[in-house]
Amino acid sequence: GENVEQHPSTLSVQEGDSAVIKCTYSDSASNYFPWYKQELGKRPQLIIDIRSNVGEKKDQRIAVTLNKTAKHFSLHITETQPEDSAVYFCAASNPNAGNMLTFGGGTRLMVKP
Amino acid sequence: ETGVTQTPRHLVMGMTNKKSLKCEQHLGHNAMYWYKQSAKKPLELMFVYNFKEQTENNSVPSRFSPECPNSSHLFLHLHTLQPEDSALYLCASSQGRTTRSYEQYFGPGTRLTVT
Repeated sequence: GENVEQHPSTLSVQEGDSAVIKCTYSDSASNYFPWYKQELGKRPQLIIDIRSNVGEKKDQRIAVTLNKTAKHFSLHITETQPEDSAVYFCAASNPNAGNMLTFGGGTRLMVKP
Repeated sequence: ETGVTQTPRHLVMGMTNKKSLKCEQHLGHNAMYWYKQSAKKPLELMFVYNFKEQTENNSVPSRFSPECPNSSHLFLHLHTLQPEDSALYLCASSQGRTTRSYEQYFGPGTRLTVT
């Protein structure tokens, strides 16, 4: 089955700096890669996703890049703000496995004011 | 928020108790999921239901028993749990495997403590 590795497990940045979280996946058939944000005490929520037919997607201060050949994808947050502090999860989905998502281990991002 | 709801939000039970967790989605989705979230494994998939049929059982011990009577409701029946089963149990739903929409919507979770 699919295996998703996520790094780093914790990340501390100064407000205004950029943050990058990286994930690798094992199954080359996976074609959908979402990122979820979970604030303390709240449910995970989708913030951005990318499909395998594109290499990059941006939404205001967040962007995701995908390298299919290397089987890795990354989340980029620019001009970080304290409200970006949360746990971020990457995931991969294989069309042969229905709509199941395999999640990475999560990254705790702390943005210091 | 009314998309995916879970009850109870908190549950404390002894190892010999039997209890059930309930999840309800109001999004018209056809797939529902149970996840376990703990410090050791942040988002661990337990069960998947598509159109009320269980399509995945991720090697979950039999002391956890899921039930999906219809596409809107999902239960997790618990019996003779162990202290290591203490965790946040998250329910999620998505449109279903026949569509190209993969986004999963999570409920607020049930914080379970086994004493």
